[in-house]
Amino acid sequence: GENVEQHPSTLSVQEGDSAVIKCTYSDSASNYFPWYKQELGKRPQLIIDIRSNVGEKKDQRIAVTLNKTAKHFSLHITETQPEDSAVYFCAAGSSNTGKLIFGQGTTLQVKP
Amino acid sequence: DTGVSQDPRHKITKRGQNVTFRCDPISEHNRLYWYRQTLGQGPEFLTYFQNEAQLEKSRLLSDRFSAERPKGSFSTLEIQRTEQGDSAMYLCASSLATSGGAKDEQFFGPGTRLTVL
Repeated sequence: GENVEQHPSTLSVQEGDSAVIKCTYSDSASNYFPWYKQELGKRPQLIIDIRSNVGEKKDQRIAVTLNKTAKHFSLHITETQPEDSAVYFCAAGSSNTGKLIFGQGTTLQVKP
Repeated sequence: DTGVSQDPRHKITKRGQNVTFRCDPISEHNRLYWYRQTLGQGPEFLTYFQNEAQLEKSRLLSDRFSAERPKGSFSTLEIQRTEQGDSAMYLCASSLATSGGAKDEQFFGPGTRLTVL
């Protein structure tokens, strides 16, 4: 069945360091891969996404890479700041079906 | 506020009661999704609509769960004969799908937190 595995489940870094979160998906029909940030008690917020026709996308301190052959995609945050502390979710979906399958989440803690 | 809205934000009910939640999507969005999120987990897809058509409901958790979007605008999610295991955050999201290529970005509402006693 459709599944998305996300690692690590928790990640603690010093302010200014980089953070990397990795996901693997199972459905080869997936062609859309968003990343959401969820702060405690708040709704998930889209921070970046990538479609299967590109291998990498960058937006300021955030970048996402996709390896469609291996069914892996990763989130990279550089120069981390305390306000980056939150739970991050990856997801995989298809433009045809619209539904997203989410990973289990990564709790990122950035220590000042 | 032109984002996705949900009502109520919190619902406490007793086991066996029926509950209904409402979601109002972003006005121009034609796709509407329902997810369930339990503590420490990612959102779990339940069902979705394109306009008024419910295109997938296989992930609805049991026949106690049903969803409607009668006029292609707001949607309701009903849970009949609630159980303690139904306690969770119920999230709604919306997006715009076009024939020229779907704009896949899903925007989430604030959620309805259900507590079943």
